[in-house]
Amino acid sequence: AQTVTQSQPEMSVQEAETVTLSCTYDTSESNYYLFWYKQPPSRQMILVIRQEAYKQQNATENRFSVNFQKAAKSFSLKISDSQLGDTAMYFCAFKRIQGAQKLVFGQGTRLTINP
Amino acid sequence: DTAVSQTPKYLVTQMGNDKSIKCEQNLGHDTMYWYKQDSKKFLKIMFSYNNKELIINETVPNRFSPKSPDKAHLNLHINSLELGDSAVYFCASSLGTAGANVLTFGAGSRLTVL
Repeated sequence: AQTVTQSQPEMSVQEAETVTLSCTYDTSESNYYLFWYKQPPSRQMILVIRQEAYKQQNATENRFSVNFQKAAKSFSLKISDSQLGDTAMYFCAFKRIQGAQKLVFGQGTRLTINP
Repeated sequence: DTAVSQTPKYLVTQMGNDKSIKCEQNLGHDTMYWYKQDSKKFLKIMFSYNNKELIINETVPNRFSPKSPDKAHLNLHINSLELGDSAVYFCASSLGTAGANVLTFGAGSRLTVL
């Protein structure tokens, strides 16, 4: 079974700083997908970024980028020029390509951006 | 227009009662899901339906029964509610099950069992 681990329960940075959230996962599969979801206080789950494991190039979406290290099974999220609106829970998630198509989530990291 | 809508958003009830949460999506997706988020914010899948067919059924007590009358709706009925059922329940949908098809989530339904 796949597992996803986020080792940082909470993080806090000043506005405009750069912050990196860690995520590691365990799988025997060679192809899969990885995601970062954001859950602000409104409770809505919002997709931040996704990465296909067969792509070596790291995904980027505006101020959000990932560092995908397949051999190390690591998938960290970097937020540049952090904004107050980035305050949220961030969840790393894994999805198989074959078999049961479900998202397996990590425990989440609570990120606070301070003014 | 809300893409995935859940009702009710908040539900407070007594132990032993039976309650339902409804979910509807207007995205034309054919796959729908129920996820449970516990008090520690951990999210775990409960069920998934593809074109009204149950395709994922995690280890969930049989007091929980999903029903999909059509591919735009997936309801969750819970019998004999227990304190441990208190959680936020998220409905989600996606286009198919293959590939990096992204899940679109509803806003969640917070269930409190007293």
